Amino acid sequence: SQQGEEDPQALSIQEGENATMNCSYKTSINNLQWYRQNSGRGLVHLILIRSNEREKHSGRLRVTLDTSKKSSSLLITASRAADTASYFCATDRTGANSKLTFGKGITLSVRP
Amino acid sequence: GAGVSQSPRYKVAKRGQDVALRCDPISGHVSLFWYQQALGQGPEFLTYFQNEAQLDKSGLPSDRFFAERPEGSVSTLKIQRTQQEDSAVYLCASSIGHLKNSYEQYFGPGTRLTVT
Repeated sequence: SQQGEEDPQALSIQEGENATMNCSYKTSINNLQWYRQNSGRGLVHLILIRSNEREKHSGRLRVTLDTSKKSSSLLITASRAADTASYFCATDRTGANSKLTFGKGITLSVRP
Repeated sequence: GAGVSQSPRYKVAKRGQDVALRCDPISGHVSLFWYQQALGQGPEFLTYFQNEAQLDKSGLPSDRFFAERPEGSVSTLKIQRTQQEDSAVYLCASSIGHLKNSYEQYFGPGTRLTVT
């Protein structure tokens, strides 16, 4: 079963605009991770935020975590056509390097 | 350095055939995971190894699915008597391991299995 629910399911923006994607989950977690998947390829790890963190930055990426609402958001600033991909949030419940539980993903299209 | 590799990249099997999917993790990575990704869905966990020990196989959908990692490196996922609902992309991921306080998983390109 999938724990995460991302929204929106699909997002289309113009190059240069910001993209915000949201994820909600159901159970307590140790950390939450965001991954990107380009068509026909494997997943690429983007950023990890631990349960005791509220915000994290990496380049053009900003992720927030609200454990009281069991939700996270991923912001991509100044989007590029190359950011077109599917984005997944994944939760790690135990922090013991056990399985990740993924959402269904968000399809982001960035128009040049 | 080399990433996670999987072979074959594509596999077409007739219903009832057995298949074996191979995963070569990143050298030195203790943890290895298998996931199944249906079309339009997120990956779903199948099984997890720490070195050669299979610590969690709770996601394997039936006893037709079997995974091994005998020497703590390469892993094989075997599906016996394949059925149409087994059609999916099978992803392998490896990780340094929690003892290194590192939780990111590195994924291979996947094997797309089509059962006809």
